[in-house]
Amino acid sequence: ETGVTQTPRHLVMGMTNKKSLKCEQHLGHNAMYWYKQSAKKPLELMFVYSLEERVENNSVPSRFSPECPNSSHLFLHLHTLQPEDSALYLCASSQEGTAIYGYTFGSGTRLTVV
Amino acid sequence: GDSVTQMEGPVTLSEEAFLTINCTYTATGYPSLFWYVQYPGEGLQLLLKATKADDKGSNKGFEATYRKETTSFHLEKGSVQVSDSAVYFCALSGGYQKVTFGIGTKLQVIP
Repeated sequence: ETGVTQTPRHLVMGMTNKKSLKCEQHLGHNAMYWYKQSAKKPLELMFVYSLEERVENNSVPSRFSPECPNSSHLFLHLHTLQPEDSALYLCASSQEGTAIYGYTFGSGTRLTVV
Repeated sequence: GDSVTQMEGPVTLSEEAFLTINCTYTATGYPSLFWYVQYPGEGLQLLLKATKADDKGSNKGFEATYRKETTSFHLEKGSVQVSDSAVYFCALSGGYQKVTFGIGTKLQVIP
């Protein structure tokens, strides 16, 4: 399998649940990103991992917790979410320092919080 | 800070019509510029890019030219197809691993 794979594609969770989103890349990249895509808003960068270390956290609430166990895998752990967290969550990867040449995105996880 | 401005749309065109989606940007230095496309139910795909002034990016019949004097990177296609219906995002990369996206322009092509 090639590219960036995200699972699950769709997730419905209650506000008291705990769930995790998974992202896997098969491109040999060593930087990975989580973005949030909401209707009528620009993409919001949430987290950046470079060489498995978090290098950016854009004031994201603590109910979102990222984890990057190795350069190929990225997780987003979710707990006690709010309905306004419903959105499409996109994972992306790039070779470190080469974001100037663009990212490769996964297909996203459509999250609905009920 | 860096910013990207594009029309939200939707832009509705008949098949074989000419497409222009405007994009202007604000950035310090010399950013790289991109167009991404998002088909329904999918993530974003890199459509084309330009890394320096006067460069022209092109792919699948789409073109955009990096105009530093007007800080613009307008997307054009001479003859759109129904399969081009998607949301198009203009973006810039002004530095290390930082990409700024526009709000996205929805294109609807009708037969």
